[in-house]
Amino acid sequence: EAGVVQSPRYKIIEKKQPVAFWCNPISGHNTLYWYRQNLGQGPELLIRYENEEAVDDSQLPKDRFSAERLKGVDSTLKIQPAELGDSAVYLCASSPYSLYSYNEQFFGPGTRLTVL
Amino acid sequence: AQKITQTQPGMFVQEKEAVTLDCTYDTSDPSYGLFWYKQPSSGEMIFLIYQGSYDQQNATEGRYSLNFQKARKSANLVISASQLGDSAMYFCAMREGRHDYKLSFGAGTTVTVRA
Repeated sequence: EAGVVQSPRYKIIEKKQPVAFWCNPISGHNTLYWYRQNLGQGPELLIRYENEEAVDDSQLPKDRFSAERLKGVDSTLKIQPAELGDSAVYLCASSPYSLYSYNEQFFGPGTRLTVL
Repeated sequence: AQKITQTQPGMFVQEKEAVTLDCTYDTSDPSYGLFWYKQPSSGEMIFLIYQGSYDQQNATEGRYSLNFQKARKSANLVISASQLGDSAMYFCAMREGRHDYKLSFGAGTTVTVRA
């Protein structure tokens, strides 16, 4: 079974440029997460989707960040315009839903963004 | 306040020895779950072990075991018989509530296994 797929793996842009990250979750996983991981820190949740609905976007900086999951499968996270402080690894994760499991989150390899 | 505290930024361990990684947590919710993830240099977060707040037994998964001390709010990870491939960053994380999916992560501990 394929894991969570993310692209690109690395992205270098200049500040004020737009950037987009793509994520394809594990087949059948209805919950999708975007995390940001700053250097030397743990991941922090940006947004969580249940199918195509964003159910928790309280930590998403909405002035410059946007996300979509139109068909409830793959998702795109966009930053426009990027700032120097946006340099980080952006991780996508997915999990199945079950009342009877702890709903482990499976992570992709991440996209390392460098803003110059 | 920090929900998850990992006080050891980095640790060295000799190959084949055991190592304990500390994790303390803070929550007032009686229902919560504790996770440990491994992040090698490739960047992917790999799930290792889970402990539910109502679980009576400490969780074990192969060479990984979780020392769960509920009254002290600690959930330390023990890696037995360390291998060179265990060198990585290790994160403790918590999910609060029975149906909430948000994970709060600690700052992580870097483990370096020496031959």
